[in-house]
Amino acid sequence: DVKVTQSSRYLVKRTGEKVFLECVQDMDHENMFWYRQDPGLGLRLIYFSYDVKMKEKGDIPEGYSVSREKKERFSLILESASTNQTSMYLCASSLIGLAENNEQFFGPGTRLTVL
Amino acid sequence: DQQVKQNSPSLSVQEGRISILNCDYTNSMFDYFLWYKKYPAEGPTFLISISSIKDKNEDGRFTVFLNKSAKHLSLHIVPSQPGDSAVYFCAANQLSGYALNFGKGTSLLVTP
Repeated sequence: DVKVTQSSRYLVKRTGEKVFLECVQDMDHENMFWYRQDPGLGLRLIYFSYDVKMKEKGDIPEGYSVSREKKERFSLILESASTNQTSMYLCASSLIGLAENNEQFFGPGTRLTVL
Repeated sequence: DQQVKQNSPSLSVQEGRISILNCDYTNSMFDYFLWYKKYPAEGPTFLISISSIKDKNEDGRFTVFLNKSAKHLSLHIVPSQPGDSAVYFCAANQLSGYALNFGKGTSLLVTP
């Protein structure tokens, strides 16, 4: 079974703090993704990576950056956390885009609260 | 611009009856359509998918129907069970692409 793990289930930070969210997958997937989920807005893509050291902006990259130094690990960084970044953050991984349906496997999520 | 739309934010169904969740899309280049199920405080889990060359795919109690001409798909759950209560996300992608396009989700409540 594919396993995607996220470093924290719940996190509380203060405005202006630098926040790191870590994600690790164990299935040697090329692609990794960071989403945030907010009520009424569904899942919105922040950044994704299709290879080590490669990254692409998603729909809402502002205020975020990412790092992929190793294939299995994809980090989301909030340079200076703000209250509007309070959300559920979801990491996902998938095989390179020749898989039958590009199914993405999700981690359990990190509920981040910024005070 | 939202390319995958789930216009019903919520749906309530009695246990044992059929649940029908709908999804519309605008991009005729999508190759695959997927449904994910999400419980609170958990990540989404893959439920069922359908290729654009098919019009129906069935897996146990779950069936997905695709109407390409109408750019519409639906997920049928028969019979519905209380454990099916969750948020269901419709998603679509192109084989040439990396990312999935998600709808905003429909919250299904199955009452005993």
